[in-house]
Amino acid sequence: DQQVKQNSPSLSVQEGRISILNCDYTNSMFDYFLWYKKYPAEGPTFLISISSIKDKNEDGRFTVFLNKSAKHLSLHIVPSQPGDSAVYFCAASLFYNNNDMRFGAGTRLTVKP
Amino acid sequence: EAGVTQSPTHLIKTRGQQVTLRCSPISGHTSVYWYQQALGLGLQFLLWYDEGEERNRGNFPPRFSGRQFPNYSSELNVNALELEDSALYLCASSLKDTQYFGPGTRLTVL
Repeated sequence: DQQVKQNSPSLSVQEGRISILNCDYTNSMFDYFLWYKKYPAEGPTFLISISSIKDKNEDGRFTVFLNKSAKHLSLHIVPSQPGDSAVYFCAASLFYNNNDMRFGAGTRLTVKP
Repeated sequence: EAGVTQSPTHLIKTRGQQVTLRCSPISGHTSVYWYQQALGLGLQFLLWYDEGEERNRGNFPPRFSGRQFPNYSSELNVNALELEDSALYLCASSLKDTQYFGPGTRLTVL
């Protein structure tokens, strides 16, 4: 049962443009959402998070938007850089301490110079 | 500060065999999580250990088990290996909210 879905397996963007990665979830009880970035041969690294009491969280070039009514979140990267090329995983959990996170399948972002 | 470490890096086994994967958390972290990443799927939650106790497990059969030691390191055991167990197994540790992942163990079952 995929409670968290990333429907785009890949995304290609030109350097300097905006990258938008999307994630949908089915469990309305989820109240904490995270994005992880994964390079080949490395474990995922935490990127940015948002709790359900907010609809936007920004950290430098990365902004996460949460639309609770649509059960949808997105990660915006502006401007995109070649070093951003990686697999991005969306995750959601029921508790703020995310002891049981559910991950999407990931979206492979390629930023072309 | 050393990150989460996992061993071995790669492993090849045959069907029916048993395997043990190891994870050392970041110093001071008491929680360890295990995930399976099979081809084309997201990270599937396997097990969560905290303070030496199993706190939660995902939707996996009982042949997936593990334990956490007093030094908070952890082992994941998989018995009676099946072909579909071929995957990347990731361990993560946390103190509070953010999980920090190790590089993973790539298991191939032939």
